[in-house]
Amino acid sequence: GNSVTQMEGPVTLSEEAFLTINCTYTATGYPSLFWYVQYPGEGLQLLLKATKADDKGSNKGFEATYRKETTSFHLEKGSVQVSDSAVYFCALSGLPGQGAQKLVFGQGTRLTINP
Amino acid sequence: DAGVIQSPRHEVTEMGQEVTLRCKPISGHNSLFWYRQTMMRGLELLIYFNNNVPIDDSGMPEDRFSAKMPNASFSTLKIQPSEPRDSAVYFCASSLTLRDGGDEKLFFGSGTQLSVL
Repeated sequence: GNSVTQMEGPVTLSEEAFLTINCTYTATGYPSLFWYVQYPGEGLQLLLKATKADDKGSNKGFEATYRKETTSFHLEKGSVQVSDSAVYFCALSGLPGQGAQKLVFGQGTRLTINP
Repeated sequence: DAGVIQSPRHEVTEMGQEVTLRCKPISGHNSLFWYRQTMMRGLELLIYFNNNVPIDDSGMPEDRFSAKMPNASFSTLKIQPSEPRDSAVYFCASSLTLRDGGDEKLFFGSGTQLSVL
């Protein structure tokens, strides 16, 4: 079945550092890929998504490129801020038409940014 | 829109007691999900409703757990009797699922932190 593997956390960086959180997936067909973010005390919210190979999703300075050849969707940001401290979840969808019920989430990576 | 609304935010109860968690999805959404989040198991899908009908409850841990959606604007997750291992954060999420492609964007509530002593 479909699965997502994220780099284990926690990840601790200094402000303005470069961020990479690795995500690889196993799936049949051509799923859509997502990054969700969970700020302290809140539910998850969609950060960015990509629906086909070579697409790049971007939002709030974060980027991730759908790499079919390496089955990866790594999250990057060039200069992190303290406010980026959160837990980040990589996820993939099921087949078209299946909707959100087939979303598969990774375990999450906790990111802490120190001033 | 106020987003997905869950209540209570925190619940502390004793083992054996009944617990009811509540959720109001975003107006117009036709799919509703209950998730459980723990350190050990991460985020688990418990049950999924579409147009108020339970479609997949394979993630419900056992018969102590039950979920209902009596109308499009309200759902409950009930645990009876509760046990300490049920302690977790329970999230409700909603989405608009389209027939021909789906919209996989989930909108989550802020969760209910459940502690069973």
